[in-house]
Amino acid sequence: KAGVTQTPRYLIKTRGQQVTLSCSPISGHRSVSWYQQTPGQGLQFLFEYFSETQRNKGNFPGRFSGRQFSNSRSEMNVSTLELGDSALYLCASSLVEKHSTDTQYFGPGTRLTVL
Amino acid sequence: DQQVKQNSPSLSVQEGRISILNCDYTNSMFDYFLWYKKYPAEGPTFLISISSIKDKNEDGRFTVFLNKSAKHLSLHIVPSQPGDSAVYFCAASVYNQGGKLIFGQGTELSVKP
Repeated sequence: KAGVTQTPRYLIKTRGQQVTLSCSPISGHRSVSWYQQTPGQGLQFLFEYFSETQRNKGNFPGRFSGRQFSNSRSEMNVSTLELGDSALYLCASSLVEKHSTDTQYFGPGTRLTVL
Repeated sequence: DQQVKQNSPSLSVQEGRISILNCDYTNSMFDYFLWYKKYPAEGPTFLISISSIKDKNEDGRFTVFLNKSAKHLSLHIVPSQPGDSAVYFCAASVYNQGGKLIFGQGTELSVKP
């Protein structure tokens, strides 16, 4: 089975712009979660989508948003970029059903640099 | 509020010896715990997990121990190999919030030949 894929792998933007990142989960996985990794804050949960609905949300401002499509692929969007948004953005997928816990498998990440 | 803590930023071990990585948590609602290995600029790779109904889980060279009363878990790697050198993260989730993992800050393991 192919793993989690993320595109693009690298991205450079300037302050004030917006960006869209894409994630394709492992085939059959219905849950997609997004994380931000920075040197200062570590790995932080952004949000999770399951069956096209946001099921969990982390403590990030509304500039960070996401969506999930019927084929489970997911996108996240960051509007009005700030320098502090420079980070590695990671997507993870899992088989988790409605009320269970399952292992998350991560993609390689998208390295976003905001200038 | 750091709900999952890895108090050792780094650990150095000789090849062939045991590596023990530790993790503490504060949220008693956590019921599923995982360990991931990560190289720079790559996504975390799943290693091993444990449910709160167990106190030990083993997979090859990797064993995870869970002490619920102490809110502590540890990852044992025996024997350690140079290829194990990486940053190790522990993570936890609450039942019915399985898509939301809370991560520790990571421990950088260096295994020297």
